[in-house]
Amino acid sequence: AQRVTQPEKLLSVFKGAPVELKCNYSYSGSPELFWYVQYSRQRLQLLLRHISRESIKGFTADLNKGETSFHLKKPFAQEEDSAMYYCAFRGSTLGRLYFGRGTQLTVWP
Amino acid sequence: EPEVTQTPSHQVTQMGQEVILRCVPISNHLYFYWYRQILGQKVEFLVSFYNNEISEKSEIFDDQFSVERPDGSNFTLKIRSTKLEDSAMYFCASQPITDFNIQYFGAGTRLSVL
Repeated sequence: AQRVTQPEKLLSVFKGAPVELKCNYSYSGSPELFWYVQYSRQRLQLLLRHISRESIKGFTADLNKGETSFHLKKPFAQEEDSAMYYCAFRGSTLGRLYFGRGTQLTVWP
Repeated sequence: EPEVTQTPSHQVTQMGQEVILRCVPISNHLYFYWYRQILGQKVEFLVSFYNNEISEKSEIFDDQFSVERPDGSNFTLKIRSTKLEDSAMYFCASQPITDFNIQYFGAGTRLSVL
């Protein structure tokens, strides 16, 4: 069955500390992986997609097909990174997105 | 920057009533989606729409739900007879046909069924 697992519902770190938000997926084909972010009272917006292989706001994510993971990392967290982060995948370019339940990241000063 | 617009931001209705949630996708986008998120749960896919017909629907999207693109700009989700369990945040998304073909989300409509 298609599934995205984000094991941490809540994650707190201090400013300047490294942060890693975990994501594992279950899908038989070759999915396209995404991280979406939702800042307080704002809409879901794309943070990263695995095919772009880019760093946005200092965040990176590497697709590990062997472990079926797409963890989101940032070496030095900032207070403005506090938000809800959703991992998602789709099986085709026009297909539905499958979301994880989200991880609420809080970065303390 | 263009955005997906959803109205209303909050809709309160009585059980059994019909509701229509409205979305204005980004103007050059051709693929449209509805998702919902029940409080404390995952964002779940409802339906996708292209070329004036449903492309895909989930098991949630039963006969009580329908979608329509009544004109060139609006994309609506209708729930015929609302149930308490329909209370959720409903998100509309649209996607272009370009190299950067990602889904752009609206801010959502919070539906409260009493």
